[in-house]
Amino acid sequence: AQRVTQPEKLLSVFKGAPVELKCNYSYSGSPELFWYVQYSRQRLQLLLRHISRESIKGFTADLNKGETSFHLKKPFAQEEDSAMYYCALRAGGGYNKLIFGAGTRLAVHP
Amino acid sequence: DAGVIQSPRHEVTEMGQEVTLRCKPISGHDYLFWYRQTMMRGLELLIYFNNNVPIDDSGMPEDRFSAKMPNASFSTLKIQPSEPRDSAVYFCASSSPGRTGTEAFFGQGTRLTVV
Repeated sequence: AQRVTQPEKLLSVFKGAPVELKCNYSYSGSPELFWYVQYSRQRLQLLLRHISRESIKGFTADLNKGETSFHLKKPFAQEEDSAMYYCALRAGGGYNKLIFGAGTRLAVHP
Repeated sequence: DAGVIQSPRHEVTEMGQEVTLRCKPISGHDYLFWYRQTMMRGLELLIYFNNNVPIDDSGMPEDRFSAKMPNASFSTLKIQPSEPRDSAVYFCASSSPGRTGTEAFFGQGTRLTVV
């Protein structure tokens, strides 16, 4: 069965500190992983996906198949990064099932 | 395109009443998802459709929950009878893997309160 685990409900850091939001997954096939973000009073939106191997707003995430992880990182947190972050997994094989973890709230303090 | 549109934005109802949540996906998208968001469990996938056909409803919590997609531009999630533990934010999302990649686009959500 597919599963996404985000072990931290809340991550609280000071501005300028490094950030790492953890995500582990369980999937027998070849996964496609995403990070979605929900800013206050805004829609949930895509932040980045592993196949793009890109950096968005200073965030990066590397898929580690050996550790079945897809942690989200940023070297220097900004106050505007405060939001709810969700890790997501797309089950392939033509099914396109998209499941999410429980989410981590990132609070960046001045 | 205005994006995924959900209505109502807020719903307060009494226990035992029927509740219907509505969703209009982005035009041309062939996948539609219903999620429930709670503090304890985060975003849970309830059901999803492909080309108006339900593909996986294993996340629907009970028989009190039902979802339909009568055409490509409209879907409903119904709870009958509603209970206080159904209080949550319900999100609808749509995607089109063939056109826009595998990104899912979300609506603003419906905040349901059952008293």
